[in-house]
Amino acid sequence: GIQVEQSPPDLILQEGANSTLRCNFSDSVNNLQWFHQNPWGQLINLFYIPSGTKQNGRLSATTVATERYSLLYISSSQTTDSGVYFCAVRDRGSTLGRLYFGRGTQLTVWP
Amino acid sequence: DSGVTQTPKHLITATGQRVTLRCSPRSGDLSVYWYQQSLDQGLQFLIQYYNGEERAKGNILERFSAQQFPDLHSELNLSSLELGDSALYFCASSPYRLAGRETQYFGPGTRLLVL
Repeated sequence: GIQVEQSPPDLILQEGANSTLRCNFSDSVNNLQWFHQNPWGQLINLFYIPSGTKQNGRLSATTVATERYSLLYISSSQTTDSGVYFCAVRDRGSTLGRLYFGRGTQLTVWP
Repeated sequence: DSGVTQTPKHLITATGQRVTLRCSPRSGDLSVYWYQQSLDQGLQFLIQYYNGEERAKGNILERFSAQQFPDLHSELNLSSLELGDSALYFCASSPYRLAGRETQYFGPGTRLLVL
């Protein structure tokens, strides 16, 4: 299956700082999603972004499918941004819908 | 709220027991996916159903089974439970009209603790 690598594994920021999270994947994909797992364990959809750029408030994401990576930008971090951010992809060569997840980036934002 | 519901939220049981986790997909979604999140394995795909039929299997143990009913809700059955089965179990759903090229929405999860 597809290998998904996320970096950095841990990130500690002060409130107001900006950050960039990276997701590299080993093969062509036709589905890429970013999730935020909050401290209660819920997986919240942030973006569906198999290619291109999207923005939602302080968050934006860019996927360069030809170079097999995606970036998640968080600007003006808030303490509520803390949690684990996951990237998940679907194999373009497969007819199946399963997602392959990275190990996540643990983000901690201090006041 | 993703529209995907899962019950129960928490489950504590003993080794050797059997439990059933339930999932109701978003209205209109035909495909249901089960994922397991554990500390050592991360988030892993278990099984997918589409309109009542099994569509794909991932790293699902033989002690685990699932089904999707005519009303499209799904159940994941875990039997002969072991300590290592303790994990967060997620259900996700999607329309699957585009053969998976669409957003999967995740439920809140069932946290299973095997003692």
